[in-house]
Amino acid sequence: DGGITQSPKYLFRKEGQNVTLSCEQNLNHDAMYWYRQDPGQGLRLIYYSQIVNDFQKGDIAEGYSVSREKKESFPLTVTSAQKNPTAFYLCASSVTSGGRRAEQFFGPGTRLTVL
Amino acid sequence: DQQVKQNSPSLSVQEGRISILNCDYTNSMFDYFLWYKKYPAEGPTFLISISSIKDKNEDGRFTVFLNKSAKHLSLHIVPSQPGDSAVYFCAARLRGGTSYGKLTFGQGTILTVHP
Repeated sequence: DGGITQSPKYLFRKEGQNVTLSCEQNLNHDAMYWYRQDPGQGLRLIYYSQIVNDFQKGDIAEGYSVSREKKESFPLTVTSAQKNPTAFYLCASSVTSGGRRAEQFFGPGTRLTVL
Repeated sequence: DQQVKQNSPSLSVQEGRISILNCDYTNSMFDYFLWYKKYPAEGPTFLISISSIKDKNEDGRFTVFLNKSAKHLSLHIVPSQPGDSAVYFCAARLRGGTSYGKLTFGQGTILTVHP
């Protein structure tokens, strides 16, 4: 089955530690995205990538880093510089970022809790 | 600056009746609008979309209306079913520039359909 997988489902981290969230897609999509969701808020864009080896900052990139070495994979690192890392993190992909079909397909999410 | 707003945090509807979810936007550079449905602890799933050159798009029980002059869109669900109970997000895509393809999400509306 084609889809987007995120792992782990739940993640606990101590303050001061970096942590990497995994996102893999087998939809052959060019574009991939990372969002975070906080209670009562919409999805806010952290980083996005339109092609391999290229990515752009979203609206709330501070304290995060990404890489896009393979088309299928777009891991997100939450660094110790991120002041409020506890959130629900969602990865998404789309055929292209600007094509006629704008739909992004989402993974199941990772709940990160900083202790 | 909230460019996409869903001013109703929640909506309660009786089964079989119509649900109307509303969304307002401020940026005239949005060219494509989407609605997503999200259950707790899961990723959003795409429902329906509309291009800015249209004023209506219908898919089964779901219809999206776009009023460009008012910068307003709405999602109609008829008839509403208990399984429709979820959080609904509207999203808008930017046209052109380096941000082409980015989606901006509203805060979401919690829909509860009572049997």
